[in-house]
Amino acid sequence: AQSVAQPEDQVNVAEGNPLTVKCTYSVSGNPYLFWYVQYPNRGLQFLLKYITGDNLVKGSYGFEAEFNKSQTSFHLKKPSALVSDSALYFCAVRDWAAGNKLTFGGGTRVLVKP
Amino acid sequence: EPEVTQTPSHQVTQMGQEVILRCVPISNHLYFYWYRQILGQKVEFLVSFYNNEISEKSEIFDDQFSVERPDGSNFTLKIRSTKLEDSAMYFCATGEGTSNQPQHFGDGTRLSIL
Repeated sequence: AQSVAQPEDQVNVAEGNPLTVKCTYSVSGNPYLFWYVQYPNRGLQFLLKYITGDNLVKGSYGFEAEFNKSQTSFHLKKPSALVSDSALYFCAVRDWAAGNKLTFGGGTRVLVKP
Repeated sequence: EPEVTQTPSHQVTQMGQEVILRCVPISNHLYFYWYRQILGQKVEFLVSFYNNEISEKSEIFDDQFSVERPDGSNFTLKIRSTKLEDSAMYFCATGEGTSNQPQHFGDGTRLSIL
């Protein structure tokens, strides 16, 4: 069975500082990893994905994520956070050998203070 | 940018009543999904649908649930006899294909069972 853990319920960061949102996963096969962001009263918006290749992937709005196979992690990062980045962030995994369903972490609320 | 559209945005229903949640997929997408998020909990996979049939479903998706694409465009989730524990946000997601393509989510339908 596949699972995702986001160990932090909330991350607080000052505007302009680096932002990191942590994610670890567990799958039996090879993982496809995704980050989504959710703003109030909206659906989940796709940010970026890791499928294969370069361990550092870049996505929308200046976000990037680093895949680390040995640590089974896929942490989301942004070098300089904006107040508008305040939202709920979800990490998700799909086991390529186990169908198309996404398994989500519990979400991390990011609060960027001016 | 094309969007997944869900209606209604909020549905209030008496326990035991039937509800139908509707989704209009992105036009060239062939894979359809329903997820739900009970307040304060993780986003959970319910069912995936491809080529007019269910391709995968979770334990949550019991005989009270059904999905169909009645007119070739709308994708619906029906709950036959609602229970209090069905109260949740229901998200429709669609995708171009399998494996490495992200799923695109609608803004959700908040279902409240009284």
